[in-house]
Amino acid sequence: DTEVTQTPKHLVMGMTNKKSLKCEQHMGHRAMYWYKQKAKKPPELMFVYSYEKLSINESVPSRFSPECPNSSLLNLHLHALQPEDSALYLCASSQLGAYYGYTFGSGTRLTVV
Amino acid sequence: DQQVKQNSPSLSVQEGRISILNCDYTNSMFDYFLWYKKYPAEGPTFLISISSIKDKNEDGRFTVFLNKSAKHLSLHIVPSQPGDSAVYFCAASGALSGAGSYQLTFGKGTKLSVIP
Repeated sequence: DTEVTQTPKHLVMGMTNKKSLKCEQHMGHRAMYWYKQKAKKPPELMFVYSYEKLSINESVPSRFSPECPNSSLLNLHLHALQPEDSALYLCASSQLGAYYGYTFGSGTRLTVV
Repeated sequence: DQQVKQNSPSLSVQEGRISILNCDYTNSMFDYFLWYKKYPAEGPTFLISISSIKDKNEDGRFTVFLNKSAKHLSLHIVPSQPGDSAVYFCAASGALSGAGSYQLTFGKGTKLSVIP
């Protein structure tokens, strides 16, 4: 299995809602990432998990809460989001070292209304 | 401050010809450089990478060249095919404090259109 699977593919939520984005990989990768991509912009790093421990939080607001229940799963819990949080949320995983790059999921297109 | 720059937002090339996509960077501590391809509504797909200690890496129709003194890299696609039409992102990696993880810093992308 060489894929990163993200669910849901599309999500529309109100500013008072609580929702979660899910990401799963079975490649044995021990580093997993959340990136955010706005239209016509490059992906921007949000969180990094290494060996199931949060190692990097790129000053992301607390309305985004990551969770790594085990080495194959990564969640992003969303609460009280703002319309400007609407974006494509990408999950990725990687082997040790950068030569093979990240494997990205297809993303969750989030719209906050 | 953008550490990875792709100055051409778009490029059009005839089928069968060479496509050359360019990328500049400012941080000399980057250890790997990568190219990703992205179709609409999909995540980026890894194409090819090059270590900072190399100057060329080749994989089939794709070749990446690195000029460290100029802090410049380029992706050559030969021959170009209509299926290559996509947005191409240049990325550079730097190690993170978490064991085995690394951060990719992306350029803004170049939209390649290959005309049949």
